[in-house]
Amino acid sequence: GQNIDQPTEMTATEGAIVQINCTYQTSGFNGLFWYQQHAGEAPTFLSYNVLDGLEEKGRFSSFLSRSKGYSYLLLKELQMKDSASYLCAVMDSNYQLIWGAGTKLIIKP
Amino acid sequence: GAVVSQHPSWVICKSGTSVKIECRSLDFQATTMFWYRQFPKQSLMLMATSNEGSKATYEQGVEKDKFLINHASLTLSTLTVTSAHPEDSSFYICSARVTPGLAGGPQETQYFGPGTRLLVL
Repeated sequence: GQNIDQPTEMTATEGAIVQINCTYQTSGFNGLFWYQQHAGEAPTFLSYNVLDGLEEKGRFSSFLSRSKGYSYLLLKELQMKDSASYLCAVMDSNYQLIWGAGTKLIIKP
Repeated sequence: GAVVSQHPSWVICKSGTSVKIECRSLDFQATTMFWYRQFPKQSLMLMATSNEGSKATYEQGVEKDKFLINHASLTLSTLTVTSAHPEDSSFYICSARVTPGLAGGPQETQYFGPGTRLLVL
């Protein structure tokens, strides 16, 4: 079956760095996505990785290792507004997104 | 990035009535749109894939006669919840698939609408 695993909840301090991991097993692979979802709102697109390596975009970076079925989202210089759920999703061979349950990130001052 | 709108953002209705939710891609054409449902503190659940000009593909367990999907144009998909009941109360979110070369984006991705909160009394 298809499976996406990510931690349920993480806590970090304002100004610090946090890494949210995601492991996956899917039928086919057409890219891995990270989305941010604030409570009560729809997800917003953060990043897309289809090749191995690190993609940096401002304070956020996303890494992919296809051989290991592994990705992480790295958030630097954490701000209180970064408190949200972070969703990992893999696009399978049918171009459908398979979603993880999301990681709730709590930022403490 | 690509912009997707949804209307209405909030709807409260009586049990037994039908509710239509619109999803529009504002600055690009979307041959494929997706409808999700999300209950409080739960993950997104894909309900169906909407393809322009053809019938929607429903996920297992989703009643196609209850959740009617129409994708009549490249910029509009609608979800109609027929004979809504309190258990249909949820957050309904659409997304549009952006393929390379469209909307100026270089990559395959999905952009989400802001969601529609449905409360059935």
